[in-house]
Amino acid sequence: DGGITQSPKYLFRKEGQNVTLSCEQNLNHDAMYWYRQDPGQGLRLIYYSQIVNDFQKGDIAEGYSVSREKKESFPLTVTSAQKNPTAFYLCASSLRTGENQPQHFGDGTRLSIL
Amino acid sequence: ILNVEQSPQSLHVQEGDSTNFTCSFPSSNFYALHWYRWETAKSPEALFVMTLNGDEKKKGRISATLNTKEGYSYLYIKGSQPEDSATYLCASQPSGNTPLVFGKGTRLSVIA
Repeated sequence: DGGITQSPKYLFRKEGQNVTLSCEQNLNHDAMYWYRQDPGQGLRLIYYSQIVNDFQKGDIAEGYSVSREKKESFPLTVTSAQKNPTAFYLCASSLRTGENQPQHFGDGTRLSIL
Repeated sequence: ILNVEQSPQSLHVQEGDSTNFTCSFPSSNFYALHWYRWETAKSPEALFVMTLNGDEKKKGRISATLNTKEGYSYLYIKGSQPEDSATYLCASQPSGNTPLVFGKGTRLSVIA
């Protein structure tokens, strides 16, 4: 079955460490997205990529970095510059950014600071 | 930043009741409106993508309408069941090559 796989499900980080969240899709989708959810907030866009080797900042990109070297993969690195990284992170993909295509979501990664 | 508002924030209904909730978005920048259902411990699932003013879509007991001129969409659930308990998210897309902007969701609890 096609889908989006995020790993790990739970992640703990020490202060000052970078951590990388994995997102893989086998839906042959061009576009991929990273969102962050905090209690009482909607999904906020961190970064998105419309095609391989290209990505754009979302509303809250500071302290995060991404790469899109393969169509299937869009890893998110939470750097030590992100001052409040504890949150739930969701990855999504869609066929293309336009064309009224729905987004497909992974199960999420919950990141906590030790 | 585009503002997408959903109301109510949460509601509780009895099994068998019908219910509806609202999503508001700026009508001046509109390309598409998405609805998603997000059950606890699962990933969000797409319900509808709507683009045309007056559009109405249906999926089983769930339906949605769209008014792009005044900037709102309604989601209706007929004869609510406990399995309808979830957070319902709407998201507006301002143009064809821009990403979605999500509201904070409406959390529905259906009591048996």
